[in-house]
Amino acid sequence: KQEVTQIPAALSVPEGENLVLNCSFTDSAIYNLQWFRQDPGKGLTSLLLIQSSQREQTSGRLNASLDKSSGRSTLYIAASQPGDSATYLCAVGNDRLAFGKGNQVVVIP
Amino acid sequence: EAQVTQNPRYLITVTGKKLTVTCSQNMNHEYMSWYRQDPGLGLRQIYYSMNVEVTDKGDVPEGYKVSRKEKRNFPLILESPSPNQTSLYFCASSLNGGLTYEQYFGPGTRLTVT
Repeated sequence: KQEVTQIPAALSVPEGENLVLNCSFTDSAIYNLQWFRQDPGKGLTSLLLIQSSQREQTSGRLNASLDKSSGRSTLYIAASQPGDSATYLCAVGNDRLAFGKGNQVVVIP
Repeated sequence: EAQVTQNPRYLITVTGKKLTVTCSQNMNHEYMSWYRQDPGLGLRQIYYSMNVEVTDKGDVPEGYKVSRKEKRNFPLILESPSPNQTSLYFCASSLNGGLTYEQYFGPGTRLTVT
């Protein structure tokens, strides 16, 4: 069974700092990986999708890398803003998906 | 507007009273799935569907049923709800499976079983 771990579980950073969020998974034979954002009491919003053949994906201030051999993905958020405060989740799988428990981020103005 | 809708958004019910949570998407997506989210346990997949009449179990299917008679709808059925099914439920859809395409999530249904 695929296990997905996200470290750290929670972090606070001052505005302007870069954020580094980690996601590790036990079964490296993954298909693809997605990063999501969840605001309190809301549904998830897809941020970045990395195909298993890709090493990284970028969208604006967000960059996600994927290292299948080590079972890791990292989400970088450059120059954090208070609006980046949210929980970030990663998911891996094929048709059956496994999610990490999330990185809860607070960006302090 | 492309969206996944769930109804009801909030539901308080009693043990054993059958209920259905509806999920509908307007994007002609083939893949749909249901999740529950609990503090400390994260988001766990209940059931998923690759297409009409094709459903399969996720990690926590016990106590739940689903059906996919139409492409746009994927209802979640609790035949005899119990307090341990109190949770926040999400429906999601994507063009097809395999995390190949972006997953779209509904707004969630908060269920309380007393």
